[in-house]
Amino acid sequence: GQNIDQPTEMTATEGAIVQINCTYQTSGFNGLFWYQQHAGEAPTFLSYNVLDGLEEKGRFSSFLSRSKGYSYLLLKELQMKDSASYLCAVRDGDYKLSFGAGTTVTVRA
Amino acid sequence: IAGITQAPTSQILAAGRRMTLRCTQDMRHNAMYWYRQDLGLGLRLIHYSNTAGTTGKGEVPDGYSVSRANTDDFPLTLASAVPSQTSVYFCASSDSAGGIGTDTQYFGPGTRLTVL
Repeated sequence: GQNIDQPTEMTATEGAIVQINCTYQTSGFNGLFWYQQHAGEAPTFLSYNVLDGLEEKGRFSSFLSRSKGYSYLLLKELQMKDSASYLCAVRDGDYKLSFGAGTTVTVRA
Repeated sequence: IAGITQAPTSQILAAGRRMTLRCTQDMRHNAMYWYRQDLGLGLRLIHYSNTAGTTGKGEVPDGYSVSRANTDDFPLTLASAVPSQTSVYFCASSDSAGGIGTDTQYFGPGTRLTVL
């Protein structure tokens, strides 16, 4: 089976930086995705990593280390609208996505 | 229609009743997926279809069936609903299922189902 772990909750102040860690153990690896999900809405795609290193996209960056089974999502210059759940998902050897339970980020003024 | 649509938005259903959740995409994506999302468990794959005419079982397929008669539609049927099937159901699609490029999955708005 697949095992994907991420913290349940994180709280940060508007304008700050938050780092959401994700560790995984899967049968095969074909990429790691981060999704954002606001309460009551669908998950929306944020980032994709398949090679080791950092991918930067505006205020959001995602890092991958395949040898360590580790990724993080970095949110910079936090805004109130960033309050949401962040889902780590790994595409396994069968090209199916397995999701972590999600990290709820609360941004406070 | 733009992207993926699901119907109904929400439904309250008596146990033992049959229910079909509808999913339609207009992106001409080959692969489609059904997930359920439960608090603390994250998204779990129920069934998938790599291309029209084919389907496969995911992590939690029991009590559910799917069909893929054409590219656009991927209905999910609960033959005899039970309270443990109370959940939020998301349909998703991707250009292919073969890991070609990013092959990002895009999600519909979800159906909130309550089985009493």
